[in-house]
Amino acid sequence: GAVVSQHPSRVICKSGTSVKIECRSLDFQATTMFWYRQFPKQSLMLMATSNEGSKATYEQGVEKDKFLINHASLTLSTLTVTSAHPEDSSFYICSARDRGFNSNQPQHFGDGTRLSIL
Amino acid sequence: GQQVMQIPQYQHVQEGEDFTTYCNSSTTLSNIQWYKQRPGGHPVFLIQLVKSGEVKKQKRLTFQFGEAKKNSSLHITATQTTDVGTYFCAGRPSGKLIFGQGTELSVKP
Repeated sequence: GAVVSQHPSRVICKSGTSVKIECRSLDFQATTMFWYRQFPKQSLMLMATSNEGSKATYEQGVEKDKFLINHASLTLSTLTVTSAHPEDSSFYICSARDRGFNSNQPQHFGDGTRLSIL
Repeated sequence: GQQVMQIPQYQHVQEGEDFTTYCNSSTTLSNIQWYKQRPGGHPVFLIQLVKSGEVKKQKRLTFQFGEAKKNSSLHITATQTTDVGTYFCAGRPSGKLIFGQGTELSVKP
């Protein structure tokens, strides 16, 4: 089945550090990838939709200068949390959809990145 | 705003008991997807329902899509400890995929 790899799985760093998270589709090409944030015991909140070769689409309330997204190839999207602060601590999950399928097809999720800012 | 509502938020059952989670939307959905997230893990796709009144089964799991395509349910018969996790429904009331709040299932052996 479709596999999405997300790296790193866990990051602990000091306040003010910028953190880059990678999301790769391993056995399929994804023109669209999604970045979610999940707080403990809560649902997945869509942050942005990453489109290969173009600018990401950010959801309302998500700072695009804070959460930089780059989707440079059909198999890789990156999320950079710039100058991270303790309030940015969360579980970040990416998902991808096979380019060969329409938008109604299921998304395949990465393992997530648990970010802890001290 | 348009969203996908899911209840209950938590459900604690004894092993062997049944479990049901319900999902509702204020608008008609083209389809509904169900995901399971184990503690500490990521969501895993379970199934997608497309047709009005559709019922699909996966072993002890039964998924239903309402006639009006505004609600859905997931029913687990005779729960097992391996069923533990949070079950999310997801639909597109306005284009983008929206996840319900999830129902966290705990099973006491």
